[in-house]
Order: sequence, then structure tokens, then C-alpha cells
Amino acid sequence: NAGVTQTPKFQVLKTGQSMTLQCAQDMNHNSMYWYRQDPGMGLRLIYYSASEGTTDKGEVPNGYNVSRLNKREFSLRLESAAPSQTSVYFCASRRTFTDTQYFGPGTRLTVL
Amino acid sequence: DAKTTQPTSMDCAEGRAANLPCNHSTISGNEYVYWYRQIHSQGPQYIIHGLKNNETNEMASLIITEDRKSSTLILPHATLRDTAVYYCIVRENEKLTFGTGTRLTIIP
Repeated sequence: NAGVTQTPKFQVLKTGQSMTLQCAQDMNHNSMYWYRQDPGMGLRLIYYSASEGTTDKGEVPNGYNVSRLNKREFSLRLESAAPSQTSVYFCASRRTFTDTQYFGPGTRLTVL
Repeated sequence: DAKTTQPTSMDCAEGRAANLPCNHSTISGNEYVYWYRQIHSQGPQYIIHGLKNNETNEMASLIITEDRKSSTLILPHATLRDTAVYYCIVRENEKLTFGTGTRLTIIP
């Protein structure tokens, strides 16, 4: 049972490049989340998916798109990366509304 | 949204109890208080949560005041591995809103 896994662990992009961050969970959780964390700051919610087939915007969705591919996987796409998107990105999942969230190890993204 | 206020940083001697306060004066009746911590740059780790009763688990205790406007996380016997940023969060629906937390340093 690996929990929540994220790939890649590190990524460097140039401004304007695109990429997809992958997240998978093997806990049969219904809800999945994407957060970003800037230096010295708390986590901010980008998008979430309460169940397979649904996605909703969080606090900072601009510049991102998401896909809930199936129950296990929830990807985050940057279509045209900007330096302001340099951050650490965390994926999380939760079984039901009343349960706690479990977080992945993070993806450290630098946009030059 | 219910917001939380925490001290920026705290120190605690190893082996002592660490008491981390949190103010959430605008909390509504059905909102839970959650505590997470983040060690170094790892993903946040769940510690404990509660609604109005005090809670205890293998990691910590959570004391919530009767008016629910504040709470205290207690790590009963702090170790060096408890050095981390601790986040007090009031949950709103699907969303966890993280503040900047308290940086707890355990002193040998």
C-alpha cells in the first residue's frame, strides 16, 4: 500500500512550456486534491475532485487544468508555465467527507 | 470562512509537553478543528481533529474550549522528530484552508 504517489519529484520548465503532474492513490479514496505551497506559506487549494468524473475549482485555479482519469488518478496540467507557478505541488486524497486527507510527497517545480 | 490564528514559532525542550495554541473565534457550529504537521518539506501529516469534545490519540491530545473559539494541541513528550510546522485548520466542506502555521522547534 503506497498511499499517495506523485510524479515527477522534481521538474524544471522554461516559461511557456507545458507539463502534467501525475498523482495516484491506492486507498480507494473518493476525493482527490491538488495544492501548491510557496516558500514560507501554507498550502493553497488549486482544484479538487469530490468523486470520479467531477472536478471543482479551489482557491487558486488560474493557469491550471485537471483531469480525474479514474478513481485512482488525478492529474494537474500547466498549459503554459509561468515563473509565478514555481512552487511545491502536493496531491492529497480522502475516502469520504468525514475522513482526513492523506498527502503525497510533493513535486518541486521550477519555472525559469 | 472561519480563520485561524497561531503563533509564528515556539520552542520546547525535549521530553517536555509541547502546547500549541490556536484561535478560531469565527468558527461555526458544524466546523471541525483539524491539526496537521509538515516535517521539513514533506507532505502534511494528519495529527488529530475534533468538533467540541477533547480528543486524544497515539500522537497528541486536542483540547477545545467550551465556546469553541480556541484550541490547544498537546504533544505530551516532545522528541526531536516533532520539530515541524504545525497547522491548525478549520474545515469548510471539501476544503482545508492552511494558514502559515506554527514552527515548533524541539530543543535537545
